Amino acid sequence: DGGITQSPKYLFRKEGQNVTLSCEQNLNHDAMYWYRQDPGQGLRLIYYSQIVNDFQKGDIAEGYSVSREKKESFPLTVTSAQKNPTAFYRCAISIGGWGSSTYNEQFFGPGTRLTVL
Amino acid sequence: KNQVEQSPQSLIILEGKNCTLQCNYTVSPFSNLRWYKQDTGRGPVSLTIMTFSENTKSNGRYTATLDADTKQSSLHITASQLSDSASYICVVRSGYSGAGSYQLTFGKGTKLSVIP
Repeated sequence: DGGITQSPKYLFRKEGQNVTLSCEQNLNHDAMYWYRQDPGQGLRLIYYSQIVNDFQKGDIAEGYSVSREKKESFPLTVTSAQKNPTAFYRCAISIGGWGSSTYNEQFFGPGTRLTVL
Repeated sequence: KNQVEQSPQSLIILEGKNCTLQCNYTVSPFSNLRWYKQDTGRGPVSLTIMTFSENTKSNGRYTATLDADTKQSSLHITASQLSDSASYICVVRSGYSGAGSYQLTFGKGTKLSVIP
């Protein structure tokens, strides 16, 4: 997990509140991703950003928002519109250029466990 | 729609035994396939990558195979150890190699438990 910091590790929020999850990387990579991981569901892509000031929706973007104002930071906001927000959230970067053995390899952060009360 | 199916969903084996995990995919155009290992409470870590032209690749006691015709991959673990207990995730990349735009499709994983 070294090189990617996600905070906090555990987060609780009341229903109806927005909450922002932090993801910081010091590996100087352009591409960053947010995934949601539920038991038995595997990893599902929420949003991704290939470059600063640009981001794209993934497969399950509804109820989430992101920003990419700095290369090293890609925060995810879970809004009150997300109907089932309790989950484990993982941030990742894509390492390795074309032709390298690490091409498109996803390098994951330690994750944040969000629980909605 | 791109899909990746893994089987079995879970598996329990005795320490020292071998096992094989399966990954079937319907992804187009295929670019590469990765197997990740995810220890409990940790993020997934790449074990190996398979490209279209590769049939077999080993990484220690892990051997991955790829049959691009049948769109199947397997991960064989030899002489299992307790530390092999983890979830194993198959991830297929679609999109043309070198292209800036691509998609990663994740399988739901196989949960392997190695018991003494």
